[in-house]
Amino acid sequence: DIQMTQSPSSLSASVGDRVTITCRASQTITSYLNWYQQKPGKAPKLLIYTASNLQSGVPSRFSGSGSETDFTLTISSLQPEDFATYYCQQTYSTPRTFGQGTKVEIK
Amino acid sequence: EEQLLESGGGLVQPGGYLRISCAASGFTFNNYAMTWVRQAPGKGLEWVSSISGSTISTYYADSVKGRFTISRDNSKNTLYLQMNSLRGEDTAIYYCAKDRVAGTGGWFDPWGQGTLVTVSS
Repeated sequence: DIQMTQSPSSLSASVGDRVTITCRASQTITSYLNWYQQKPGKAPKLLIYTASNLQSGVPSRFSGSGSETDFTLTISSLQPEDFATYYCQQTYSTPRTFGQGTKVEIK
Repeated sequence: EEQLLESGGGLVQPGGYLRISCAASGFTFNNYAMTWVRQAPGKGLEWVSSISGSTISTYYADSVKGRFTISRDNSKNTLYLQMNSLRGEDTAIYYCAKDRVAGTGGWFDPWGQGTLVTVSS
């Protein structure tokens, strides 16, 4: 199975900060990497698909990059509604594993 | 608007069974793969199973293989998950999601609101 490791597991940031979350795969997944946002008590929401494609309706302050084994989600200017948990996920092979999540909290 | 609505969750004893459903609307159901993802209380997301639009291909996590069966009725725009031999570790919110493709590639969007399955005596 492909293991997905996110870092950090949590972070504290202020509104307006630039935030970067990394995701590393245990083997190459080419660009089959997606990012999701989950707020408490809500279903996850797709932000980025195939590493760098912004899902329709998602603000442009979110961006994704990377390939093979190393990927990054960047929030260019953190907004109050962005405080949530973020998950990466590979769909290169089954099982289609998720990272453990990164909780973004208010500083 | 694309929508998914899960139902059928509840309390079941260890060793018991349950079938949960996911009603889809707002898109051509049989053109898309579908997926179940679960989330244990306070934990992260775990992919459970996926099925192709034609139902030819199904995929399962090792943790549920042989116990859970994914299926779909394209005439009713409904996805199912039959869960047998349930264990305490199956306790979770179960989400269904529209999937771009069941195998390599794909992404999950949108997701339903989830249905809670609790396995306890």
